[in-house]
This record gives sequence, structure tokens and C-alpha cells, in this order.
Amino acid sequence: DAKTTQPTSMDCAEGRAANLPCNHSTISGNEYVYWYRQIHSQGPQYIIHGLKNNETNEMASLIITEDRKSSTLILPHATLRDTAVYYCIVRVIGQGGTASKLTFGTGTRLQVTL
Amino acid sequence: DGGITQSPKYLFRKEGQNVTLSCEQNLNHDAMYWYRQDPGQGLRLIYYSQIVNDFQKGDIAEGYSVSREKKESFPLTVTSAQKNPTAFYLCASSQSGGGADTQYFGPGTRLTVL
Repeated sequence: DAKTTQPTSMDCAEGRAANLPCNHSTISGNEYVYWYRQIHSQGPQYIIHGLKNNETNEMASLIITEDRKSSTLILPHATLRDTAVYYCIVRVIGQGGTASKLTFGTGTRLQVTL
Repeated sequence: DGGITQSPKYLFRKEGQNVTLSCEQNLNHDAMYWYRQDPGQGLRLIYYSQIVNDFQKGDIAEGYSVSREKKESFPLTVTSAQKNPTAFYLCASSQSGGGADTQYFGPGTRLTVL
């Protein structure tokens, strides 16, 4: 799986949009971009994923650049409950079994403040 | 309410004792996973099961054992052979185990060996 690079930490004021960047410059054509988050001492929570088109769901939006070398996760109106570590992961399509494991990096620690 | 449950949330054991961590899912997912997370680090795959009565070793299977007698259950036993068992253990499941299949996580069990 391609390596990802994320900032170590970010701050965001409550009610404002949180934009979390991820660089995946070595991504291959058969790799999806996934985002998870982990609130302290809880299991990771799936947020969103995409291949090359922008995606939106009830939690967030995912913007993938045209060359697919980077992406941005957008939380449109951050709340205190969004404080967590956010992980950007790229995964190969079609490899099942143990190759389907998720490889988490160190992620971005997002702190939402009043 | 569909989801993945893990019990107990906190577990304490004496060194040399085997301990079994429970993982149950009612999502009708075929594939189930066990990961280990150490402080400040990402997830590492211990075991994976794609169907009932079948499982494969992950990256750090030594000192662990699993069973998959029922689709909804995937218990993990941490044996006395595991040299450093204190960690946060996460169970996950996905529809089929394919490479682009979204994995959903349980709340985790924090094991402390005294």
C-alpha cells in the first residue's frame, strides 16, 4: 500500500470547517483513499472513502486532486466531539485475505476548541 | 442495533495466564479481523478470518490463537507465549474481506498483564 503523509496536529474552532490534508504522492491507479478517526480509547470509526471522484456523506466530504496525489477531508462544522486522531489510508483494490488489512500511520490529531 | 461488540472493555490478568477476548457482530459480515494497537502506534493485524472455520495468520500471530465456529463470533486467545500482551485489542468486520471492503471496528478491549 502507498505511504501517506499527514500533519501531526491541527486546531480548529468549533463551528468552523476542519480541513485535514493527506499526501499520497505514490498512490497507484488501483488504490482507494480511506479516512478513519479514533477518539481516545475507542475503536477507529470509518468516515469516508473514494477512488478519484469527490465524495460526500453525512459525516464529511472527501476532495481528491485530479492527479490523485493528495486529498483533503472536510468536516464542514466541527464540534468538540470531532476531537480525535484522523487517519488517511490508501488500500489496493481487489486484494483480499490478509492483504486487506488496514495500515494506519500516525495520523493527524485534530483539536476542536471553543 | 447493528454493530460489533467486544467484551470486556478492560481486562487484567496475571503473567502466565491465558485470556480470551470476545468479539461478536450482528452485521452478517463474512470477514472478521483482530488488530493490536500499542500506545502512539498504528494497528497491526493479528489474525483474519474470511469465512466460518477458516482463518489466516496476520503480521504478529505468535502467542495468539483464534477460532471461527460461528459467523458472528471471532474470539481471540492471548496465550502465555505472547511475550508482551499488554495492549489495546481491536476487532473489526467487513462484508466479504475484499481489498476495497470497508472495515468496521468494535470499541476495543484494553488488556493489562500484571
